[in-house]
Amino acid sequence: QQPVQSPQAVILREGEDAVINCSSSKALYSVHWYRQKHGEAPVFLMILLKGGEQKGHDKISASFNEKKQQSSLYLTASQLSYSGTYFCGTGSYNTDKLIFGTGTRLQVFP
Amino acid sequence: DTEVTQTPKHLVMGMTNKKSLKCEQHMGHRAMYWYKQKAKKPPELMFVYSYEKLSINESVPSRFSPECPNSSLLNLHLHALQPEDSALYLCASSQAEETYEQYFGPGTRLTVT
Repeated sequence: QQPVQSPQAVILREGEDAVINCSSSKALYSVHWYRQKHGEAPVFLMILLKGGEQKGHDKISASFNEKKQQSSLYLTASQLSYSGTYFCGTGSYNTDKLIFGTGTRLQVFP
Repeated sequence: DTEVTQTPKHLVMGMTNKKSLKCEQHMGHRAMYWYKQKAKKPPELMFVYSYEKLSINESVPSRFSPECPNSSLLNLHLHALQPEDSALYLCASSQAEETYEQYFGPGTRLTVT
């Protein structure tokens, strides 16, 4: 039931792009994306809703394929501050429950 | 103010102790959450309160007892914990159901000896 993220880890140079994928085995109503830096709390980045509505960050984009039950997070022109672990969180209709994915560790070097 | 506060930051307790974790938000959010996070793992949902009522309990052992005294406060009472309960405990809040982002507190690092 836990969403699976890929890749597990990414290493980038500043300015490079990255894509993080999140795949669920069940029908989704919403997909959240969070970034967690070491020793800190997760911070909200983006939310995508069934039907196409998006809310979130203007420097990071994401897609939501309802049919394939997948979401992808696109990080362009990465900065050092992008380093951290990225989690997707999947929600089902009419429930407060969010299930976090396996996580992707992203490191950006100068 | 988009802040969720948690106290204490660190807690060390013995297996026979009773302690409580506290979480507070003043954003008018109607849903509040407790998560447990082990190192290098995703947050794992424990409890959800919606409009001050417990709406989700993810089969958490009874040695963890949540309480929501009012719409701004959330407590987690701990009793007779096991060493494997050592983890980061995160509190979060959100405006509504799954279509709204969750705001996380900094967490309480719990060590059970």
